Amino acid sequence: DGGITQSPKYLFRKEGQNVTLSCEQNLNHDAMYWYRQDPGQGLRLIYYSQIVNDFQKGDIAEGYSVSREKKESFPLTVTSAQKNPTAFYLCASIGITGELFFGEGSRLTVL
Amino acid sequence: AQKVTQAQTEISVVEKEDVTLDCVYETRDTTYYLFWYKQPPSGELVFLIRRNSFDEQNEISGRYSWNFQKSTSSFNFTITASQVVDSAVYFCALSVYNFNKFYFGSGTKLNVKP
Repeated sequence: DGGITQSPKYLFRKEGQNVTLSCEQNLNHDAMYWYRQDPGQGLRLIYYSQIVNDFQKGDIAEGYSVSREKKESFPLTVTSAQKNPTAFYLCASIGITGELFFGEGSRLTVL
Repeated sequence: AQKVTQAQTEISVVEKEDVTLDCVYETRDTTYYLFWYKQPPSGELVFLIRRNSFDEQNEISGRYSWNFQKSTSSFNFTITASQVVDSAVYFCALSVYNFNKFYFGSGTKLNVKP
C-alpha cells in the first residue's frame, strides 16, 4: 500500500545524544515535511523539502537537521543542541491536489 | 502573516448530538486553501477536506459538513449525529504559495460519550 512510513514509533534518548527519525514514502511525491507536535498545540514546521538535494528551514529548525538524498526518504536528526526534544514528530508529503499525507508519527522522549 | 485560530480547545458531547468546530483564519493572500484534518488516538492525521478561496460553496459528506464564509474568514466543521468514533483531535489548516507551507490551528479535541 502507498503511504508514509515513520520509524521508530517510540524512541528514548539520553541527554547529549543525537537521534535520527526515519521517514520513507512510496507515493512518488516531490515535497516532504517534518512537523513537531506538543501536547495541546498545533503542528509546527521544522523543515521541508520540495525536491531532492534541497530543503528549507521551517519555523523551529534550531537543533534539528535533515537530508534529502533520495526522493523517497527524508530523515530528521534531533541533535543535542535541541534543548527540549521530547515531542511527537510527524512526517508528511504533499499530493498533487494539495493535501498532506501523514505518517503515524514518532514519539521521542528524553530520559 | 498567516494564522489559524481554533478557539475551542476541547468539546464534549453525548452521542447523537450535533457539534460544530470553529476555525477562523487570517491571510492577505487572495489565493489560499483551507483544510480539515482528523487526528485519532493512533496519531496519524487524516485528510478530511480541502477548500480553495474561490469556492465558497458549502459541502456535505455524510454526517460531515463544512461552512466556508470569506466575509467572516471562517471555515467551520459540523458533525451531525456524532458517534463515539468521531472522538479525535481536529485540526484546521491554511496553505498559501502553491502549498509550500501549511499553517495549523492548535486543534480541537472532541470527546463523544456514549
